[in-house]
Amino acid sequence: QKEVEQNSGPLSVPEGAIASLNCTYSDRGSQSFFWYRQYSGKSPELIMFIYSNGDKEDGRFTAQLNKASQYVSLLIRDSQPSDSATYLCAVSRSGGYQKVTFGTGTKLQVIP
Amino acid sequence: DGGITQSPKYLFRKEGQNVTLSCEQNLNHDAMYWYRQDPGQGLRLIYYSQIVNDFQKGDIAEGYSVSREKKESFPLTVTSAQKNPTAFYLCASSIDHIRDTQYFGPGTRLTVL
Repeated sequence: QKEVEQNSGPLSVPEGAIASLNCTYSDRGSQSFFWYRQYSGKSPELIMFIYSNGDKEDGRFTAQLNKASQYVSLLIRDSQPSDSATYLCAVSRSGGYQKVTFGTGTKLQVIP
Repeated sequence: DGGITQSPKYLFRKEGQNVTLSCEQNLNHDAMYWYRQDPGQGLRLIYYSQIVNDFQKGDIAEGYSVSREKKESFPLTVTSAQKNPTAFYLCASSIDHIRDTQYFGPGTRLTVL
């Protein structure tokens, strides 16, 4: 079982729709959760981080965390073609040095 | 502008050569990291450094070496012992090893000819 699992996609959504990206993780001790966006040929860019169960909103992005289910998701409202990218989920235990483990990413395609 | 810079953007290496990838940050971050990204795979940690003059091996350190003589700089050397070095190399930093939100540089794409 992979430590951080994401559906590789591609996930295709029409422009203006809500894109839902999902991530599951295996380490129950995980405390910090991150979403990165990576355009083709570019480096990952931090979108959001979340530490507590529940929702965290930032503009069109909402991160949702459910530690009991070991599940974190990213919702993108009013999806735009410029949102087309690969989205990486990352997880760490935090406290002292704890490795950040990255998923392989979900490719999102927003269709105009 | 605060940020992380990596150079060169593209690098070509002949087999048997050592090459050094540069990573510099002016964010005043204590912790720095090197990752490797291959198609279809997640980022894999090569080395990390929590403070100056200290660094630790990550998951795939064989064939690589680093130094951390200055807070701002964390160069990575890809040695001839690395059997499959063609990859996208990413440097990242975080405030410290506890506040672990990592920010990435633009990356260096290394190709072995």
